[in-house]
Amino acid sequence: GENVEQHPSTLSVQEGDSAVIKCTYSDSASNYFPWYKQELGKRPQLIIDIRSNVGEKKDQRIAVTLNKTAKHFSLHITETQPEDSAVYFCAVLNNYGQNFVFGPGTRLSVLP
Amino acid sequence: EAQVTQNPRYLITVTGKKLTVTCSQNMNHEYMSWYRQDPGLGLRQIYYSMNVEVTDKGDVPEGYKVSRKEKRNFPLILESPSPNQTSLYFCASWGNYGYTFGSGTRLTVV
Repeated sequence: GENVEQHPSTLSVQEGDSAVIKCTYSDSASNYFPWYKQELGKRPQLIIDIRSNVGEKKDQRIAVTLNKTAKHFSLHITETQPEDSAVYFCAVLNNYGQNFVFGPGTRLSVLP
Repeated sequence: EAQVTQNPRYLITVTGKKLTVTCSQNMNHEYMSWYRQDPGLGLRQIYYSMNVEVTDKGDVPEGYKVSRKEKRNFPLILESPSPNQTSLYFCASWGNYGYTFGSGTRLTVV
């Protein structure tokens, strides 16, 4: 089955700096790659996603890049703010069904 | 308001006592799923359902049952809970804007 790795597991940055989180996956048939943000004690919420026919997608300070050949995709957060502090999960969906596989998560801390 | 409603939010139970966690969505989504979240392991899929009366195992189905008798409801059943099922559980439904998650159920089995 699909195997999703996510790095780093923890990340601390200074406010205003950029943060990058990377996920790798194993199933080349995967075609949908979302990112979720989970604040402490709350449910995961979708922040950005990308489909396999696109290499990059941007939404204000957040962007996702996809390299299908290398089977990895990354979340980029620019001009980080303390409210960006959360756990971020990548996920992968494949063509065969809707069996989502999530990465193990990255705890991002933005230091004021 | 479009939402996924899970109940209860918190539950403490004893080993072997059957329990059900309810999940309901008001978005007319066909696809629903249950996840458990454990530290360092992320979100692992327990069961999913692609439509009424259609359910399938996820990655960690042992010890759980589900049913999908109607589109809006997708209960999670633990017939004989054990301490290793202590976890945070999320129900989710899938629509045009990806997954919408319920607010979670923190289950403790003693």
